Amino acid sequence: GENVEQHPSTLSVQEGDSAVIKCTYSDSASNYFPWYKQELGKGSQLIIDIRSNVGEKKDQRIAVTLNKTAKHFSLHITETQPEDSAVYFCAATRTPSGAGSYQLTFGKGTKLSVIP
Amino acid sequence: DSGVTQTPKHLITATGQRVTLRCSPRSGDLSVYWYQQSLDQGLQFLIQYYNGEERAKGNILERFSAQQFPDLHSELNLSSLELGDSALYFCASSVTGQPSTDTQYFGPGTRLTVL
Repeated sequence: GENVEQHPSTLSVQEGDSAVIKCTYSDSASNYFPWYKQELGKGSQLIIDIRSNVGEKKDQRIAVTLNKTAKHFSLHITETQPEDSAVYFCAATRTPSGAGSYQLTFGKGTKLSVIP
Repeated sequence: DSGVTQTPKHLITATGQRVTLRCSPRSGDLSVYWYQQSLDQGLQFLIQYYNGEERAKGNILERFSAQQFPDLHSELNLSSLELGDSALYFCASSVTGQPSTDTQYFGPGTRLTVL
């Protein structure tokens, strides 16, 4: 099955700096890679995702890059703000070829702290 | 607010006991997923239901069971509880139940503490 490794486990940055979180996956057939943000006391919320047919996707201050050859993808947050402080999870899955489904396999999370 | 509700928010119980966690999906979503999040662990998939039927099973213990009712709400039953079952339990819902094409919306979770 799929295995997703996420680094670092904790990350502290100064407000306004950039933050980068990296994930690697094992199943070369995986083709969908979402990123979730989990704020304290809340459920995880999808913030951005990328499919294997593109190498980069941006949404305002957030971007995700994918390297299929190396089997890794990264989340980039620019101009960080205190409200970006949260736990971020990467995940991977693949489209089934027939009936059934493949589930999301999550990384262990990165606790991002943005210091004002 | 994701539109997914979970009750209770917190649950404290003793070893050997049984508890039931409840989840109501977003309006219109037919699929419900259950996840366990332990300390220093990511979200571990437990089980998925789609329109009342079990669709997929993950690393769910035999002591745990779940079901999805006709009104699409779901319950996760945890029995013979052990200290190691202490964790956050999240429910998520989606429209079609296909993780590779469908966004999952997560509830706020139930924090279970087994003493």
